[in-house]
Amino acid sequence: GEQVEQLPSILRVQEGSSASINCSYEDSASNYFPWYKQEPGENPKLIIDIRSNMERKQIQELIVLLDKKAKRFSLHITDTQPGDSAMYFCAASVWGTGYQNFYFGKGTSLTVIP
Amino acid sequence: DAGVTQTPRHEVAEKGQTIILKCEPVSGHNDLFWYRQTKIQGLELLSYFRSKSLMEDGGAFKDRFKAEMLNSSFSTLKIQPTEPKDSAVYLCASSHNAEQFFGPGTRLTVL
Repeated sequence: GEQVEQLPSILRVQEGSSASINCSYEDSASNYFPWYKQEPGENPKLIIDIRSNMERKQIQELIVLLDKKAKRFSLHITDTQPGDSAMYFCAASVWGTGYQNFYFGKGTSLTVIP
Repeated sequence: DAGVTQTPRHEVAEKGQTIILKCEPVSGHNDLFWYRQTKIQGLELLSYFRSKSLMEDGGAFKDRFKAEMLNSSFSTLKIQPTEPKDSAVYLCASSHNAEQFFGPGTRLTVL
């Protein structure tokens, strides 16, 4: 099945700086790429997503970039705050074919240092 | 609008017991997923239903794990018999228009 590689697994940044997480996938049919934030003891929450008809999407401090040719997508958190500290998961999915499966990266533990 | 609900939130079982986890998807969502989450393996798919039909049964989890969806608003995951290695968080998720939303999870501990 599809493999999604997510790097880095651990990321520590200073408050106010940017954090970047990178994911790569194998299946060129993948057309939906969500990002989830998971805080300790909580469930993963969808924070931003991008579909294959877009290259860039921004919601406030979150920016997602998609390079379909390279089969890579990335999450950038600008002006990080301590509240951004959490686990982040990327996923790749093929949607719209009558069958949807999600392939998740292993996660990135982000710590924002005050 | 209610999100995905799961019960119980915590479960402690003895080795060899049968446990049943429950999930109610978001109303109107056609896709329902069961995942197991551990620190080592991350999120592993156990089962996937579309409009109540089983689409994916999670391969390696088939022998002791059985998910059912008897109606569009309720699903169960049975683990029989439980083993200590089943200790994990079990997440249910539902999706619509590609967007997937997770329930709060059930933390299972098998002694």
